[in-house]
Amino acid sequence: KAGVTQTPRYLIKTRGQQVTLSCSPISGHRSVSWYQQTPGQGLQFLFEYFSETQRNKGNFPGRFSGRQFSNSRSEMNVSTLELGDSALYLCASSLSGPDQPQHFGDGTRLSIL
Amino acid sequence: EDQVTQSPEALRLQEGESSSLNCSYTVSGLRGLFWYRQDPGKGPEFLFTLYSAGEEKEKERLKATLTKKESFLHITAPKPEDSATYLCAVPQGGSEKLVFGKGTKLTVNP
Repeated sequence: KAGVTQTPRYLIKTRGQQVTLSCSPISGHRSVSWYQQTPGQGLQFLFEYFSETQRNKGNFPGRFSGRQFSNSRSEMNVSTLELGDSALYLCASSLSGPDQPQHFGDGTRLSIL
Repeated sequence: EDQVTQSPEALRLQEGESSSLNCSYTVSGLRGLFWYRQDPGKGPEFLFTLYSAGEEKEKERLKATLTKKESFLHITAPKPEDSATYLCAVPQGGSEKLVFGKGTKLTVNP
């Protein structure tokens, strides 16, 4: 069974640009969550989608947005990039429910110059 | 506010030297506690889910236990390949939002 796939694996951008990251969940998983991981803050929740609807949102500015398609694939977008947005962005998928384990992809490493 | 605290931040063991990692949590209405392993450059790999106090789960050299306030990840006779960062997390407020601890970086020397 294929795991969670994230593309691209690495991205280098400059301040002010925007970026779109992609996530393909495990087949049959309809819940997709996004997290930001940095050395200082650890893993922080960005948002969660289920059936193309955002159900939960973390404490990030509106520059961070996402969406989910009918096939459960998800994208997240960051506009007007700042140096502090440099991080590993992780996508996780699960069967719906807080008691279900989330399975993570290997992330997209975003570097802002 | 729901919180997860892991200790120690880093742990160095000799191969075969057993030890335990701690995860303390404060959450209203625990819906599960998750343990993950993360290798450098990789995403977290799911290990265990624990749902109620007294529950135990085992996988190879790892055993996870749960009380009402904390969870332990016991590592028996570790090998160098067990070196990784171990993370624990709890869902917040009955949602899919996971609150993670900062992790314990485990190094096992041969």
